[in-house]
Amino acid sequence: SQQGEEDPQALSIQEGENATMNCSYKTSINNLQWYRQNSGRGLVHLILIRSNEREKHSGRLRVTLDTSKKSSSLLITASRAADTASYFCAEGGNDYKLSFGAGTTVTVRA
Amino acid sequence: EAQVTQNPRYLITVTGKKLTVTCSQNMNHEYMSWYRQDPGLGLRQIYYSMNVEVTDKGDVPEGYKVSRKEKRNFPLILESPSPNQTSLYFCASSPGSREAFFGQGTRLTVV
Repeated sequence: SQQGEEDPQALSIQEGENATMNCSYKTSINNLQWYRQNSGRGLVHLILIRSNEREKHSGRLRVTLDTSKKSSSLLITASRAADTASYFCAEGGNDYKLSFGAGTTVTVRA
Repeated sequence: EAQVTQNPRYLITVTGKKLTVTCSQNMNHEYMSWYRQDPGLGLRQIYYSMNVEVTDKGDVPEGYKVSRKEKRNFPLILESPSPNQTSLYFCASSPGSREAFFGQGTRLTVV
């Protein structure tokens, strides 16, 4: 089954710095979604980018999608302590199924 | 408030004792699914449902059952739990090929 892979697995940054994480996937997609998970809690949807879009912004988040390389990136600008969490990309297929990667754990140091 | 509610949040049980984890959503979503989350493996889909009385296997369905008798409810049934089913479970719903809403999770330990 299709399953994305995030890179890096873990990221530690200083408050105020930008955090970038990447996601690669294997098959064609309808959309690519990013979710955040605070320790042991439910996932929260951050942003969805459709397969015909190349870039999308939402507040301090910027997502890019390169379908030719089957990859996406999530940039969090001016990070805050509250951004400490795990971030997952999920491939959205035409069958409504979401296939998640293993996630990137981001730690923002004060 | 739009939400997906799972119960219980925490459960410790013994091998072989049947259990049900309930999931309910109040957003009238057609699509519901169950995932398990294990360290280093991300979320893996167990079962999903496209609508009432329509369910199908996900990536890791062995040892699990589901039912969808009403649109809002999608219970996960473990007929004979085993220790390898110790995991963090999430229910999710979505209105189709769009963002998914997740429950708060059920941490299951099978001893």
